[in-house]
Amino acid sequence: LAKTTQPISMDSYEGQEVNITCSHNNIATNDYITWYQQFPSQGPRFIIQGYKTKVTNEVASLFIPADRKSSTLSLPRVSLSDTAVYYCLVDKSGGYQKVTFGTGTKLQVIP
Amino acid sequence: NAGVTQTPKFQVLKTGQSMTLQCAQDMNHNSMYWYRQDPGMGLRLIYYSASEGTTDKGEVPNGYNVSRLNKREFSLRLESAAPSQTSVYFCASSDPAPGVAEAFFGQGTRLTVV
Repeated sequence: LAKTTQPISMDSYEGQEVNITCSHNNIATNDYITWYQQFPSQGPRFIIQGYKTKVTNEVASLFIPADRKSSTLSLPRVSLSDTAVYYCLVDKSGGYQKVTFGTGTKLQVIP
Repeated sequence: NAGVTQTPKFQVLKTGQSMTLQCAQDMNHNSMYWYRQDPGMGLRLIYYSASEGTTDKGEVPNGYNVSRLNKREFSLRLESAAPSQTSVYFCASSDPAPGVAEAFFGQGTRLTVV
């Protein structure tokens, strides 16, 4: 199972771009990288998933270098409502059978 | 469109009591999961069901049992609650397939064991 490592916390001012990097050195060939967002007292919510290179949706971008040993979630122009915990997961084919979420990165957006 | 529904939302139990947490999804997903989240921690997988009729242990299964009642419903049972089981419990469902990964979570059940 690929283990992930990400910063425990980050602070950012409103309007800035935030980049959260996740390290997954032993990622397997058929593993995907998925990011989730969790607000207090809510269940996690899917943000973005990728396999290689760059993926972008209406919420975020995900950058994955060629060696796939890390990935970076990029949130453009954050607002106070982006304050949440962000989890990086690595697993094959979207299966969550034995994946743990870890402690995630607590992002605090400052006015 | 309800998604994943968990009941109850809150529960207080005395040590030694039993209870069942209910989870139902209306997205026709094959896989369902139960996680627990302790204060300031990430989610830990208790049990999962890859498909109807199958269940398997996750990272922290001790003290819990599960039943995949049908494709829609996946319940979690605490036979003899202990204070260490005080936590927020999340149910999730997904349809794992290459390139399709989104798991949908319920709103959680906040359980306190006194």
